Amino acid sequence: QSILTQPPSVSAAPGQKVTISCSGSNSNVGKNFVCWYQQLPGTAPKLLIYDDNKRPSGIPDRFSGSKSDTSATLGITGLQTGDEAVYFCGTWDDSLSAHLVFGGGTKLTVL
Amino acid sequence: QITLKESGPTLVKPTQTLTLTCTFSGFSLSISGLGVGWIRQPPGKALEWLALIYWDDDKRFSPFLKNRLTISKDTSKNQVVLKMTDVDPEDTATYFCAHRRGYTDSAGYYPAWGQGILVTVSS
Repeated sequence: QSILTQPPSVSAAPGQKVTISCSGSNSNVGKNFVCWYQQLPGTAPKLLIYDDNKRPSGIPDRFSGSKSDTSATLGITGLQTGDEAVYFCGTWDDSLSAHLVFGGGTKLTVL
Repeated sequence: QITLKESGPTLVKPTQTLTLTCTFSGFSLSISGLGVGWIRQPPGKALEWLALIYWDDDKRFSPFLKNRLTISKDTSKNQVVLKMTDVDPEDTATYFCAHRRGYTDSAGYYPAWGQGILVTVSS
Protein backbone atom coordinates (compact mmCIF):
# COMPACT_ATOMS: atom_id res chain seq x y z
CA GLN A 1 0.00 0.00 0.00
CA SER A 2 1.49 3.31 -1.12
CA ILE A 3 1.96 6.30 1.18
CA LEU A 4 0.63 8.48 -1.63
CA THR A 5 -2.95 7.77 -2.65
CA GLN A 6 -4.05 7.96 -6.27
CA PRO A 7 -7.32 6.81 -7.84
CA PRO A 8 -6.78 3.45 -9.56
CA SER A 9 -8.35 4.64 -12.78
CA VAL A 10 -9.86 7.63 -14.56
CA SER A 11 -11.40 7.95 -17.99
CA ALA A 12 -12.57 10.64 -20.36
CA ALA A 13 -13.32 11.15 -24.02
CA PRO A 14 -10.84 12.48 -26.58
CA GLY A 15 -10.57 16.25 -26.41
CA GLN A 16 -11.83 16.39 -22.84
CA LYS A 17 -9.97 17.27 -19.67
CA VAL A 18 -9.07 14.96 -16.82
CA THR A 19 -7.46 15.43 -13.42
CA ILE A 20 -5.57 12.89 -11.35
CA SER A 21 -5.13 13.42 -7.63
CA CYS A 22 -2.26 12.44 -5.36
CA SER A 23 -3.01 12.63 -1.68
CA GLY A 24 -0.28 12.52 0.94
CA SER A 25 0.64 14.08 4.26
CA ASN A 26 2.65 16.87 5.86
CA SER A 27 5.79 14.79 5.70
CA ASN A 28 5.70 14.36 1.93
CA VAL A 29 3.33 16.20 -0.44
CA GLY A 30 2.72 18.96 2.07
CA LYS A 31 6.40 19.65 2.49
CA ASN A 32 8.33 18.66 -0.64
CA PHE A 33 8.17 19.05 -4.39
CA VAL A 34 5.97 16.64 -6.32
CA CYS A 35 6.75 15.02 -9.67
CA TRP A 36 4.49 13.28 -12.13
CA TYR A 37 5.49 10.48 -14.47
CA GLN A 38 3.73 8.92 -17.43
CA GLN A 39 4.28 5.25 -18.17
CA LEU A 40 3.07 3.97 -21.52
CA PRO A 41 2.60 0.20 -21.78
CA GLY A 42 5.88 -1.67 -21.80
CA THR A 43 8.03 1.44 -21.46
CA ALA A 44 9.98 3.29 -18.78
CA PRO A 45 8.36 6.14 -16.88
CA LYS A 46 8.68 9.59 -18.43
CA LEU A 47 8.88 12.80 -16.43
CA LEU A 48 5.91 15.07 -17.09
CA ILE A 49 5.99 17.52 -14.18
CA TYR A 50 8.63 18.40 -11.58
CA ASP A 51 8.78 20.88 -8.70
CA ASP A 52 4.97 20.67 -8.42
CA ASN A 53 4.18 22.51 -11.64
CA LYS A 54 7.15 22.75 -14.00
CA ARG A 55 7.29 20.99 -17.34
CA PRO A 56 10.53 19.62 -18.82
CA SER A 57 11.29 20.78 -22.31
CA GLY A 58 9.29 18.85 -24.87
CA ILE A 59 6.29 18.25 -22.62
CA PRO A 60 3.24 20.00 -24.11
CA ASP A 61 1.33 22.55 -22.05
CA ARG A 62 -1.69 20.23 -22.12
CA PHE A 63 -0.07 18.74 -19.03
CA SER A 64 -0.12 20.79 -15.83
CA GLY A 65 0.60 20.27 -12.16
CA SER A 66 -0.72 21.95 -9.05
CA LYS A 67 -0.63 21.43 -5.31
CA SER A 68 -2.64 22.48 -2.30
CA ASP A 69 -1.73 21.49 1.25
CA THR A 70 -1.18 17.73 1.18
CA SER A 71 -2.74 17.02 -2.20
CA ALA A 72 -1.26 17.36 -5.68
CA THR A 73 -3.08 17.23 -8.99
CA LEU A 74 -2.10 16.42 -12.54
CA GLY A 75 -4.27 17.96 -15.22
CA ILE A 76 -4.42 16.88 -18.83
CA THR A 77 -6.43 18.84 -21.38
CA GLY A 78 -7.25 18.04 -24.98
CA LEU A 79 -7.03 14.30 -24.31
CA GLN A 80 -5.56 12.14 -27.05
CA THR A 81 -5.62 8.38 -27.43
CA GLY A 82 -1.85 8.47 -27.05
CA ASP A 83 -2.31 9.74 -23.51
CA GLU A 84 -3.57 6.32 -22.43
CA ALA A 85 -1.03 5.31 -19.82
CA VAL A 86 -0.44 4.88 -16.11
CA TYR A 87 0.43 8.06 -14.25
CA PHE A 88 2.48 8.10 -11.04
CA CYS A 89 3.12 10.89 -8.58
CA GLY A 90 6.28 10.93 -6.52
CA THR A 91 7.87 12.99 -3.77
CA TRP A 92 10.33 12.78 -0.89
CA ASP A 93 8.98 11.67 2.44
CA ASP A 94 10.65 13.26 5.46
CA SER A 95 9.33 10.88 8.07
CA LEU A 96 11.71 8.91 10.32
CA SER A 97 12.41 6.61 7.40
CA ALA A 98 13.14 9.32 4.84
CA HIS A 99 12.92 8.12 1.26
CA LEU A 100 11.36 8.75 -2.14
CA VAL A 101 7.78 7.57 -2.37
CA PHE A 102 5.47 6.98 -5.33
CA GLY A 103 1.74 6.77 -5.59
CA GLY A 104 0.09 3.53 -6.61
CA GLY A 105 -0.49 4.78 -10.14
CA THR A 106 -3.61 5.82 -12.05
CA LYS A 107 -4.62 4.16 -15.29
CA LEU A 108 -5.99 6.72 -17.74
CA THR A 109 -8.38 5.43 -20.37
CA VAL A 110 -9.29 7.67 -23.27
CA LEU A 111 -12.67 6.39 -24.37
CA GLN B 1 21.23 13.52 -25.18
CA ILE B 2 21.19 11.53 -21.95
CA THR B 3 20.86 7.76 -22.17
CA LEU B 4 21.03 5.04 -19.54
CA LYS B 5 21.01 1.28 -19.85
CA GLU B 6 20.72 -1.39 -17.19
CA SER B 7 22.61 -4.66 -17.45
CA GLY B 8 22.90 -7.76 -15.35
CA PRO B 9 21.38 -11.20 -14.89
CA THR B 10 17.75 -11.74 -15.80
CA LEU B 11 17.42 -14.85 -13.64
CA VAL B 12 18.73 -15.13 -10.10
CA LYS B 13 18.27 -17.87 -7.54
CA PRO B 14 16.86 -17.14 -4.07
CA THR B 15 19.48 -16.12 -1.48
CA GLN B 16 21.94 -15.05 -4.19
CA THR B 17 23.28 -11.52 -4.63
CA LEU B 18 21.94 -9.50 -7.54
CA THR B 19 24.38 -7.11 -9.20
CA LEU B 20 23.03 -4.58 -11.68
CA THR B 21 25.04 -2.07 -13.65
CA CYS B 22 23.77 1.21 -15.06
CA THR B 23 25.87 2.54 -17.92
CA PHE B 24 25.06 6.06 -18.95
CA SER B 25 26.09 8.77 -21.38
CA GLY B 26 25.33 12.44 -21.87
CA PHE B 27 26.32 13.56 -18.39
CA SER B 28 29.07 13.10 -15.85
CA LEU B 29 28.42 12.00 -12.30
CA SER B 30 31.22 14.28 -11.20
CA ILE B 31 29.05 17.34 -11.86
CA SER B 32 27.52 19.02 -8.84
CA GLY B 33 23.78 18.49 -8.46
CA LEU B 34 23.56 15.26 -10.39
CA GLY B 35 22.85 11.73 -9.28
CA VAL B 36 21.70 8.29 -10.39
CA GLY B 37 18.88 6.41 -8.77
CA TRP B 38 17.46 2.92 -8.95
CA ILE B 39 13.74 2.22 -9.03
CA ARG B 40 11.99 -1.10 -9.49
CA GLN B 41 8.53 -2.19 -10.55
CA PRO B 42 7.09 -5.64 -9.87
CA PRO B 43 4.94 -6.90 -12.76
CA GLY B 44 1.68 -4.97 -12.85
CA LYS B 45 2.51 -2.98 -9.74
CA ALA B 46 3.68 0.46 -8.70
CA LEU B 47 7.14 1.98 -8.76
CA GLU B 48 9.37 1.45 -5.74
CA TRP B 49 12.41 3.62 -5.13
CA LEU B 50 15.51 1.71 -4.04
CA ALA B 51 18.61 3.87 -3.83
CA LEU B 52 20.36 7.02 -4.96
CA ILE B 53 23.99 8.06 -5.30
CA TYR B 54 24.95 11.72 -5.56
CA TRP B 55 27.79 13.33 -7.47
CA ASP B 56 29.71 13.70 -4.19
CA ASP B 57 29.29 9.97 -3.40
CA ASP B 58 26.61 10.62 -0.79
CA LYS B 59 24.08 7.80 -0.78
CA ARG B 60 20.46 7.18 0.17
CA PHE B 61 18.59 3.92 0.51
CA SER B 62 15.06 2.71 0.88
CA PRO B 63 14.58 2.07 4.61
CA PHE B 64 12.81 -1.19 3.74
CA LEU B 65 15.80 -2.59 1.86
CA LYS B 66 18.64 -0.65 3.38
CA ASN B 67 20.37 -3.64 4.93
CA ARG B 68 20.44 -5.47 1.61
CA LEU B 69 21.54 -2.73 -0.76
CA THR B 70 24.82 -1.17 -1.73
CA ILE B 71 25.36 1.42 -4.44
CA SER B 72 28.59 2.66 -5.96
CA LYS B 73 29.79 4.69 -8.90
CA ASP B 74 32.70 4.64 -11.28
CA THR B 75 32.84 8.13 -12.68
CA SER B 76 35.55 7.29 -15.22
CA LYS B 77 33.40 4.53 -16.71
CA ASN B 78 30.09 6.40 -16.39
CA GLN B 79 28.63 3.51 -14.43
CA VAL B 80 26.64 2.99 -11.26
CA VAL B 81 26.36 -0.44 -9.67
CA LEU B 82 23.56 -1.62 -7.41
CA LYS B 83 23.92 -4.78 -5.36
CA MET B 84 21.09 -6.51 -3.57
CA THR B 85 21.88 -9.40 -1.24
CA ASP B 86 19.74 -12.37 -0.28
CA VAL B 87 17.19 -12.01 -3.06
CA ASP B 88 13.74 -13.51 -2.76
CA PRO B 89 11.00 -14.22 -5.34
CA GLU B 90 9.34 -11.01 -4.12
CA ASP B 91 12.30 -9.13 -5.62
CA THR B 92 11.15 -10.14 -9.09
CA ALA B 93 10.69 -6.86 -10.92
CA THR B 94 11.83 -4.60 -13.70
CA TYR B 95 14.74 -2.58 -12.39
CA PHE B 96 15.27 0.93 -13.77
CA CYS B 97 18.18 3.28 -13.31
CA ALA B 98 17.50 6.97 -13.80
CA HIS B 99 19.40 10.22 -14.09
CA ARG B 100 18.61 12.59 -11.23
CA ARG B 101 18.88 16.34 -10.96
CA GLY B 102 18.73 18.15 -7.65
CA TYR B 103 21.05 19.15 -4.85
CA THR B 104 19.01 17.83 -1.97
CA ASP B 105 16.91 14.79 -1.08
CA SER B 106 13.64 16.67 -1.21
CA ALA B 107 14.27 18.73 -4.33
CA GLY B 108 15.15 16.30 -7.06
CA TYR B 109 13.61 14.65 -10.06
CA TYR B 110 14.36 11.99 -12.66
CA PRO B 111 14.22 13.40 -16.20
CA ALA B 112 15.78 10.41 -17.93
CA TRP B 113 15.35 6.69 -17.38
CA GLY B 114 16.85 3.51 -18.73
CA GLN B 115 14.68 0.99 -20.53
CA GLY B 116 14.71 -1.31 -17.51
CA ILE B 117 15.77 -4.90 -17.02
CA LEU B 118 13.38 -7.61 -15.90
CA VAL B 119 14.94 -9.69 -13.15
CA THR B 120 13.25 -12.91 -12.11
CA VAL B 121 14.10 -14.56 -8.82
CA SER B 122 13.40 -18.27 -8.99
CA SER B 123 15.03 -21.54 -8.19
